Amino acid sequence: AQRVTQPEKLLSVFKGAPVELKCNYSYSGSPELFWYVQYSRQRLQLLLRHISRESIKGFTADLNKGETSFHLKKPFAQEEDSAMYYCALLYSGAGSYQLTFGKGTKLSVIP
Amino acid sequence: DGGITQSPKYLFRKEGQNVTLSCEQNLNHDAMYWYRQDPGQGLRLIYYSQIVNDFQKGDIAEGYSVSREKKESFPLTVTSAQKNPTAFYLCASSMRRGIRWNEQFFGPGTRLTVL
Repeated sequence: AQRVTQPEKLLSVFKGAPVELKCNYSYSGSPELFWYVQYSRQRLQLLLRHISRESIKGFTADLNKGETSFHLKKPFAQEEDSAMYYCALLYSGAGSYQLTFGKGTKLSVIP
Repeated sequence: DGGITQSPKYLFRKEGQNVTLSCEQNLNHDAMYWYRQDPGQGLRLIYYSQIVNDFQKGDIAEGYSVSREKKESFPLTVTSAQKNPTAFYLCASSMRRGIRWNEQFFGPGTRLTVL
């Protein structure tokens, strides 16, 4: 069965320090992975998806199929990055596509 | 902001009562989803619908029911059979992309509290 694991519930870093939010997945098919972010008092929104290979708000994430990982990285953390981050895997089953989410990591950037 | 709306924002209900949460979207998306968000649990899929008049159970469908009579609407009923209904409920929608689906867009959520 498909599974997404985010090992850190809470991650605290100082402003200007590098950030890495870990995400590992298990899935027998071809994975499509996403990072969603939820800022305080805002709705959950897409941050980036691996097939786009883009950088959003300075964040990047590379899919490593060998290590089954999709870690989210940013070289210099900003206070406005403080939020809840969810890694998600899009998988197919019984003719439909569903997202399965990790349990989330709360990022706190210390001024 | 529009797109996906959920109402009400806060909802209180007594034990033993059914309650219906509203979700509407004006994005012309084909699929709609209901998730439950609990602290430390992430998002868990309750029900989803990829076409009008059809829906599928997610991972935690017990105690919930849905309908999809219109493309833009996907209400969720939390029944008295749901053992632990107090939670934050999120609705989402997505558009078909060939045989696959685009990313999901989320509503602002409804916080349900059972008294």
